[in-house]
Amino acid sequence: EVQLVESGGGLVQPGGSLRLSCAASGFTFSSYEMNWVRQAPGKGLEWVSYISSSGSTIYYADSVKGRFTISRDNAKNSLYLQMNSLRAEDTAVYYCARDFGGEGARTTDYWGQGTLVTVSS
Amino acid sequence: EIVLTQSPGTLSLSPGERATLSCRASQSVSSSYLAWYQQKPGQAPRLLIYGASSRATGIPDRFSGSGSGTDFTLTISRLEPEDFAVYYCQQYGSSPRMYTFGQGTKLEIK
Repeated sequence: EVQLVESGGGLVQPGGSLRLSCAASGFTFSSYEMNWVRQAPGKGLEWVSYISSSGSTIYYADSVKGRFTISRDNAKNSLYLQMNSLRAEDTAVYYCARDFGGEGARTTDYWGQGTLVTVSS
Repeated sequence: EIVLTQSPGTLSLSPGERATLSCRASQSVSSSYLAWYQQKPGQAPRLLIYGASSRATGIPDRFSGSGSGTDFTLTISRLEPEDFAVYYCQQYGSSPRMYTFGQGTKLEIK
């Protein structure tokens, strides 16, 4: 069974930093591209970042570029999101999501349960 | 950047009825790159449809997707009580590489 479990969320002051983790199991993590997606309270979904299976290719949403860093450790089956210079508008539930590229499609097929990040003084 | 607009914002129906949810893109989208998700309160989104019309693993056949170009539709043929939730469409863009989501349609019990 595919499982993605996020951790590391919490309350942080504006300008602070936080590192999120996503532990993967039930599939060959090193073969899959991964994403972070966030959802502000009561709002819709916003894609945040993407990392290729090897970690060599990375993309960010403009809203987090220069402040957030995605990385992975395939030996530990883990995905990370280092968040610096946090702002109030970064307050959201952060989900890790597995990329799916079968049958010519491209989407995200499995999501973790999310971890809440609250940026407030 | 492609913008996805979902309608209606809220849809009020009764169990057993048919639901039709719309997702319109600001420019043409490859059908291969259009997906639909269901999200219940306090839960992560669940993939329902990918490639505009293919059901994800374990999704009941009362869910179907259709459309092409800029207009896509999610249809739930006969609503079950567990279908009342928020639904999002999503598209994949390769340049720049990113996913964008519609703002969601809330399907509520009438």
